[in-house]
Amino acid sequence: AQTVTQSQPEMSVQEAETVTLSCTYDTSESNYYLFWYKQPPSRQMILVIRQEAYKQQNATENRFSVNFQKAAKSFSLKISDSQLGDTAMYFCAFMKPHSGAGSYQLTFGKGTKLSVIP
Amino acid sequence: GAVVSQHPSRVICKSGTSVKIECRSLDFQATTMFWYRQFPKQSLMLMATSNEGSKATYEQGVEKDKFLINHASLTLSTLTVTSAHPEDSSFYICSASTLSRDPTYNEQFFGPGTRLTVL
Repeated sequence: AQTVTQSQPEMSVQEAETVTLSCTYDTSESNYYLFWYKQPPSRQMILVIRQEAYKQQNATENRFSVNFQKAAKSFSLKISDSQLGDTAMYFCAFMKPHSGAGSYQLTFGKGTKLSVIP
Repeated sequence: GAVVSQHPSRVICKSGTSVKIECRSLDFQATTMFWYRQFPKQSLMLMATSNEGSKATYEQGVEKDKFLINHASLTLSTLTVTSAHPEDSSFYICSASTLSRDPTYNEQFFGPGTRLTVL
């Protein structure tokens, strides 16, 4: 079974600064996807960024980037120029093919609560 | 695009009653829908996966007779909590999955969640 570990329950960062959230995972799969999701106080899950395991290049989305180290099974999220709206729970997630054909399931870490301080 | 709705957003019910939660994909056809449960300050735990027209696949430890899932169409899945008890109080989130431009990847879009309180 896959496991996803987020070792930082809570973090804080000053507005406009940079913060890195850690995530490690364990799997025997060779092909998979990794995600960072944001859950603001509204509780709506929002996809922040996605990384395909077969791609060596780290994914970036505007102020969000990842450091994907496949051998180390590490997938950290860097948020640059932090904004107040970045305050949320951040979940790292792993996706593998489900046992059923054509369907995929997500395994989530426990989350990191990020607070951006004005 | 890719909007998923849930209804109701909040529900309070008495112990012993049944509650139905709807999950709809509004602008796309969902090949698969997922149901998650989230306790306060905790992560999302997958309860079950459902494909349209077939029986749901439940995760280990989830009582299929208590959490009935019906996936009658490509845009609607329902979760019915039968004979609800206070310990069933939680935040329930659905997601709908559809093929992306990458044929090896099914993207999941999440609903806004339903808060269930059982008195």
